[in-house]
Amino acid sequence: GAGVSQSPRYKVTKRGQDVALRCDPISGHVSLYWYRQALGQGPEFLTYFNYEAQQDKSGLPNDRFSAERPEGSISTLTIQRTEQRDSAMYRCASSLGTAGRITEAFFGQGTRLTVV
Amino acid sequence: EDQVTQSPEALRLQEGESSSLNCSYTVSGLRGLFWYRQDPGKGPEFLFTLYSAGEEKEKERLKATLTKKESFLHITAPKPEDSATYLCAVQAYGAGGTSYGKLTFGQGTILTVHP
Repeated sequence: GAGVSQSPRYKVTKRGQDVALRCDPISGHVSLYWYRQALGQGPEFLTYFNYEAQQDKSGLPNDRFSAERPEGSISTLTIQRTEQRDSAMYRCASSLGTAGRITEAFFGQGTRLTVV
Repeated sequence: EDQVTQSPEALRLQEGESSSLNCSYTVSGLRGLFWYRQDPGKGPEFLFTLYSAGEEKEKERLKATLTKKESFLHITAPKPEDSATYLCAVQAYGAGGTSYGKLTFGQGTILTVHP
């Protein structure tokens, strides 16, 4: 596609339910990132993939959060047993380069998650 | 730990009134410094990448500069359509000179340009 696509755009879920957020990166982009952005703040790093390998998951808040990118393209961020504090905008970004080459990241529109 | 601080938090300008936004950073080894623009309800949109102190890049009314401790985004004769949140982010080298994809963002500066 022309840009990074995220789905759903909005998700309302009940506390305790599991949610899966999807990211479809720009075709051919090797690197994929997940960020979380609170209102009035910059994006906060969650995790990063090169191809299908999860290179860095240091930003995942706890073990309820996980991410995968099994075929090196589409990625899923899963939050188990959601809590109200998980409510935020979740943003995905992709970039052309690998770790050895710096290229800019392009962001999707985000998924607004609300836990009630 | 990498840190990025942006100032001011908000800036109001009259159309045509030039000014600068500041991004101060602390990083173990800077691989790149990025500027993004973010409009309400949208994802960040890439503007510039700077790699080393002394480097400058320009795009229309915007010019980004970099020193060893900070970056400035200069806005010359702004227009109302320049109103947005401007985000600064750094990417650091990891241990052993390997690089990581992680970007550390500042909190952003909200720019409002009045006609």
